[in-house]
Amino acid sequence: EPEVTQTPSHQVTQMGQEVILRCVPISNHLYFYWYRQILGQKVEFLVSFYNNEISEKSEIFDDQFSVERPDGSNFTLKIRSTKLEDSAMYFCASRRLAADTSYEQYFGPGTRLTVT
Amino acid sequence: GQQVMQIPQYQHVQEGEDFTTYCNSSTTLSNIQWYKQRPGGHPVFLIQLVKSGEVKKQKRLTFQFGEAKKNSSLHITATQTTDVGTYFCAGRSITDSWGKLQFGAGTQVVVTP
Repeated sequence: EPEVTQTPSHQVTQMGQEVILRCVPISNHLYFYWYRQILGQKVEFLVSFYNNEISEKSEIFDDQFSVERPDGSNFTLKIRSTKLEDSAMYFCASRRLAADTSYEQYFGPGTRLTVT
Repeated sequence: GQQVMQIPQYQHVQEGEDFTTYCNSSTTLSNIQWYKQRPGGHPVFLIQLVKSGEVKKQKRLTFQFGEAKKNSSLHITATQTTDVGTYFCAGRSITDSWGKLQFGAGTQVVVTP
């Protein structure tokens, strides 16, 4: 069964450093998302991406964040200057173009980001 | 903005017992999805409800979507240890075009053998 993959599984970085989290969505999916989950808390929407541009973003997704689909398979989240409060599990998700009303999202295993 | 609230936050269940977790949205939803996250894992899609009043069953799990499409519930019968995890509801607003999901805080389920 196809699945979303994410690398690395764990990233440790120092405050102020840039990090890039990588995702490979399911190949025939066209909508891509990033979510984050601070330890013990709920999953929070960050950004959605469709047709090579951001379609929607949350208040969390400020100027320090950016997303990119550099080629036909990867989908990346960049944090320019990490802060301690960016420490969280970051999930990538994708969904296919729904001809019906199915909006099921497939989540990757996540990247745990630790900012020290 | 849209908020999705979920109760209870924690649920301790004796193996074999039933329990229900509830989800309420501040706005009308286009659909609601339920995900299960095992400890240390990622959210895994369980089901989607679209129609007002819809009820769907998956073995021991029964999912319901309210008539007003603002609330939902998940009922598990005869709980097993494999049911351990956090159950999240996630709603998609009728005004959203891109499929953004607003997650509830989740119900963490602990099963005692």
